Amino acid sequence: DADVTQTPRNRITKTGKRIMLECSQTKGHDRMYWYRQDPGLGLRLIYYSFDVKDINKGEISDGYSVSRQAQAKFSLSLESAIPNQTALYFCATRAQGEETQYFGPGTRLLVL
Amino acid sequence: KNEVEQSPQNLTAQEGEFITINCSYSVGISALHWLQQHPGGGIVSLFMLSSGKKKHGRLIATINIQEKHSSLHITASHPRDSAVYICAVRSGGGADGLTFGKGTHLIIQP
Repeated sequence: DADVTQTPRNRITKTGKRIMLECSQTKGHDRMYWYRQDPGLGLRLIYYSFDVKDINKGEISDGYSVSRQAQAKFSLSLESAIPNQTALYFCATRAQGEETQYFGPGTRLLVL
Repeated sequence: KNEVEQSPQNLTAQEGEFITINCSYSVGISALHWLQQHPGGGIVSLFMLSSGKKKHGRLIATINIQEKHSSLHITASHPRDSAVYICAVRSGGGADGLTFGKGTHLIIQP
């Protein structure tokens, strides 16, 4: 079983809809991240969390919110989806004191 | 904000060739990462560097802290090396998370 999982893997939604992307990890890491990847722009940081009570905005947090329900779960919400949020979304984890980040398989989101 | 530049953006080579991908960044860092993304989209970490050089199989990564530059080399390239290679840095300080280059799309032809 994969250490970092994301659900759903693919999602098509309409403008204005609320959508949640979920990330779960079995690595026991305290740090979790949400990134989005757009063609030609590379990956960019949306939000990150050091633990359940410590959540921080990244480079492009506008239009997104997150919830760290438990150490193992970090969810990303789009309250009212818009077409320019169409992208590939990655969750990642990292252990305190270590540098390597472990990425989930990604969620392809299309907002019509 | 750290700016990460990669070159080339696209690279097509023949099997067996020696491959070099370059990465430069603008601000001092705590760590530099090389990542590999296959056509299916998944991302795996190849190397983490804070100084010097690392080798894993046919892959070699180097970093020059003073020049703010890193290179990823692939020796005896093979079609299965075809992927997008991404450089990313963690700047340290209060902020966390990685800042990414735009990636190098590598195709190795048989």
